[in-house]
Amino acid sequence: EAQVTQNPRYLITVTGKKLTVTCSQNMNHEYMSWYRQDPGLGLRQIYYSMNVEVTDKGDVPEGYKVSRKEKRNFPLILESPSPNQTSLYFCASRVRAGGSQETQYFGPGTRLLVL
Amino acid sequence: SQKIEQNSEALNIQEGKTATLTCNYTNYSPAYLQWYRQDPGRGPVFLLLIRENEKEKRKERLKVTFDTTLKQSLFHITASQPADSATYLCALTGAGSYQLTFGKGTKLSVIP
Repeated sequence: EAQVTQNPRYLITVTGKKLTVTCSQNMNHEYMSWYRQDPGLGLRQIYYSMNVEVTDKGDVPEGYKVSRKEKRNFPLILESPSPNQTSLYFCASRVRAGGSQETQYFGPGTRLLVL
Repeated sequence: SQKIEQNSEALNIQEGKTATLTCNYTNYSPAYLQWYRQDPGRGPVFLLLIRENEKEKRKERLKVTFDTTLKQSLFHITASQPADSATYLCALTGAGSYQLTFGKGTKLSVIP
């Protein structure tokens, strides 16, 4: 089954404790991205990757890092989480970086609470 | 600055009626516009895409229109059902851009 998976689905942590949210897709997609979703603000893009070893900032990259060492995986790293990073996070992928007209597939979401 | 606005945060409609949701944009030259459905706590799911040179697209009970002069897209669900209750998001890609930018969504409630 074609899908985007994220782990963990739920996470409670404390300020400053480094964490990684994993994202994996099994569709051989080139383009992957991370969004956060907050009430009243909608979905905002954090980082995106057009292919292996090619990443760039989205609209709200501060406090986050990403890496793309393999085509299928695109982890989101919070080096020193803060309470304002409490949010619902979605990973997404689509076939090609230049295929902006194509369907974007979303993962199930990771709900993060930073105390 | 570029803006995508979905005019209603929430829309209530009686079962069987047609629901119409609006997406307006400013300072964009969009190449494509997409509509997604999102259920609570879940990831958005793609519904329809319309290109800048298309006026209308249909899929079963769904219809999307795209008016680049008015800078507006309308999303219609005919013969609405309680199962259509969800948040609907519009998303734009500007010409020459890789980025898909989302509106804040309209929460649709279909009342039996």
